[in-house]
Amino acid sequence: SQTIHQWPATLVQPVGSPLSLECTVEGTSNPNLYWYRQAAGRGLQLLFYSVGIGQISSEVPQNLSASRPQDRQFILSSKKLLLSDSGFYLCAWSRQGIGQPQHFGDGTRLSIL
Amino acid sequence: QKEVEQDPGPLSVPEGAIVSLNCTYSNSAFQYFMWYRQYSRKGPELLMYTYSSGNKEDGRFTAQVDKSSKYISLFIRDSQPSDSATYLCAMSSLGGAQKLVFGQGTRLTINP
Repeated sequence: SQTIHQWPATLVQPVGSPLSLECTVEGTSNPNLYWYRQAAGRGLQLLFYSVGIGQISSEVPQNLSASRPQDRQFILSSKKLLLSDSGFYLCAWSRQGIGQPQHFGDGTRLSIL
Repeated sequence: QKEVEQDPGPLSVPEGAIVSLNCTYSNSAFQYFMWYRQYSRKGPELLMYTYSSGNKEDGRFTAQVDKSSKYISLFIRDSQPSDSATYLCAMSSLGGAQKLVFGQGTRLTINP
């Protein structure tokens, strides 16, 4: 069966510090990978998605970047965090193909001080 | 206007009641419909997945899609306190990138 791992679960960072969140998927090959941010009381905002190694699509202009160095590894980064980067970050995967459901990790709660 | 509209609630019902959760959408190209359940401080968990119109049942859960009205529903029978969570609808179309469009989520509480 497939599993998705996301860490850390909780992170407190000062403004201006760098960020690296990692997500890995097991039990499948060539998945689509996604990064979302979920603000309290609001829906899921798609930040980045990737259909293959080194292929990253950005959905919204922001202070963050994403990379996919390996087939089942997806990294969310920032060089300098802003207060507005606080939130709940979720990684997800799906099989290739139209209409495939996405499967989520348990998220990272990021607080910027 | 958002592509997918979902009443955020909160919705509070007594244990054992039948719960009805709904989403409306504006894009007639949507063909794939999903319901996710999200417990506090956890990621969303896929609950139901349907293609095109019709009903799908899984235990106490029934998903219903009415494409003519652009309306989808999730029914929970014999609701339990463990069903207390936020429920998100999601959908996608045949064309375009392999992305989902999510509703805002409905916060549901089942009272013992």
